[in-house]
Amino acid sequence: KAGVTQTPRYLIKTRGQQVTLSCSPISGHRSVSWYQQTPGQGLQFLFEYFSETQRNKGNFPGRFSGRQFSNSRSEMNVSTLELGDSALYLCASSLEGSGGLDTQYFGPGTRLTVL
Amino acid sequence: AQTVTQSQPEMSVQEAETVTLSCTYDTSESNYYLFWYKQPPSRQMILVIRQEAYKQQNATENRFSVNFQKAAKSFSLKISDSQLGDTAMYFCAFMKPPIPGLTFGEGTQLTVNP
Repeated sequence: KAGVTQTPRYLIKTRGQQVTLSCSPISGHRSVSWYQQTPGQGLQFLFEYFSETQRNKGNFPGRFSGRQFSNSRSEMNVSTLELGDSALYLCASSLEGSGGLDTQYFGPGTRLTVL
Repeated sequence: AQTVTQSQPEMSVQEAETVTLSCTYDTSESNYYLFWYKQPPSRQMILVIRQEAYKQQNATENRFSVNFQKAAKSFSLKISDSQLGDTAMYFCAFMKPPIPGLTFGEGTQLTVNP
């Protein structure tokens, strides 16, 4: 099976812009979770989508949003970018996500730089 | 809230030797999953090994094994016959549905020297 894919791999944006990141899960996986990784805060959970519904959300402002499509592909959007949004954004897929004890498999990440 | 602590920010080991990475966690739950992930310079997060808390037997995957001490809330990773390709940041992680997502430790940077 193909692994989790994320596009684009690298992005450079300026403050105030918005950005959309994409994630395609492993075939058959219905849960997609997003994480932000920064040197200062480490790895933090953003949100989880399951069957096109946001099931959980971490402690992030409303500028961070996402959605999931019927084929389980997911996008996350960050509006009004701030310098502090510069990070590696990781997507992970699993069969059931927080609906059960499940293993998450990660994509290669998208490196976002905000200037 | 669950917390995961990795007290060793950096470690190094000689090629072919054995190294142990430490991880402790705090939870009041009885059934949960623990994971070790590695993140090499490519930044791809790769699953190394997982342990179900209800299983007493320690998980093993080839050269990787864990020492799971549930009462002590300890979950260490042993890497045998270390290889240069094992050089990476290693993260310990905890999962307990329905709490969302993985809770990660701070990471341990492991360097394998030739």
